[in-house]
Amino acid sequence: DAMVIQNPRYQVTQFGKPVTLSCSQTLNHNVMYWYQQKSSQAPKLLFHYYDKDFNNEADTPDNFQSRRPNTSFCFLDIRSPGLGDAAMYLCATSPTGTSGSYEQFFGPGTRLTVL
Amino acid sequence: AQSVTQLDSQVPVFEEAPVELRCNYSSSVSVYLFWYVQYPNQGLQLLLKYLSGSTLVKGINGFEAEFNKSQTSFHLRKPSVHISDTAEYFCAVGDDYKLSFGAGTTVTVRA
Repeated sequence: DAMVIQNPRYQVTQFGKPVTLSCSQTLNHNVMYWYQQKSSQAPKLLFHYYDKDFNNEADTPDNFQSRRPNTSFCFLDIRSPGLGDAAMYLCATSPTGTSGSYEQFFGPGTRLTVL
Repeated sequence: AQSVTQLDSQVPVFEEAPVELRCNYSSSVSVYLFWYVQYPNQGLQLLLKYLSGSTLVKGINGFEAEFNKSQTSFHLRKPSVHISDTAEYFCAVGDDYKLSFGAGTTVTVRA
């Protein structure tokens, strides 16, 4: 089945220790997104890629970076995690086309714990 | 900018009872509306979407929603809920390859 895969599902890191979260997709969608979701809150968009074009949200901290080496993979790098970065991180994809529906397909998420 | 307001933060409901989750949106352009469900420690799963056409939209798991342009609403309904419907529900509006989410409604189904 075509899908969005996130690894690992659970990640524990130490305060200030860089961490990378991974997302891959078999849907061949042009657009990939990274969201941060804290407990009992809506997902908050950090950035997205339209093909190779990177689009950062204005309020995304510099501590968060992303890479998309090819269509299938996208990575979220947190350079120096703080306690406030503990959250669920969701990857999503979206096809482009004339419908313009903007429907997004989500992965299962990675739960990040910062000690 | 488009935005979404979910009018109920928590909805407790008994099993086999009906449920309605309310969503209002603000938009100055063509509207694409979505309802997503999130089970604990999972990603978001699409329940249904409105892009155009019939204002009554049927989705998965027995859910449906009605698009009302004059009231700028997109309320979600299910005539008879199950314990397994306990989850967080998000209404969202599409805008230029992004989704604007509401704050979410927690549905708790009790036996």
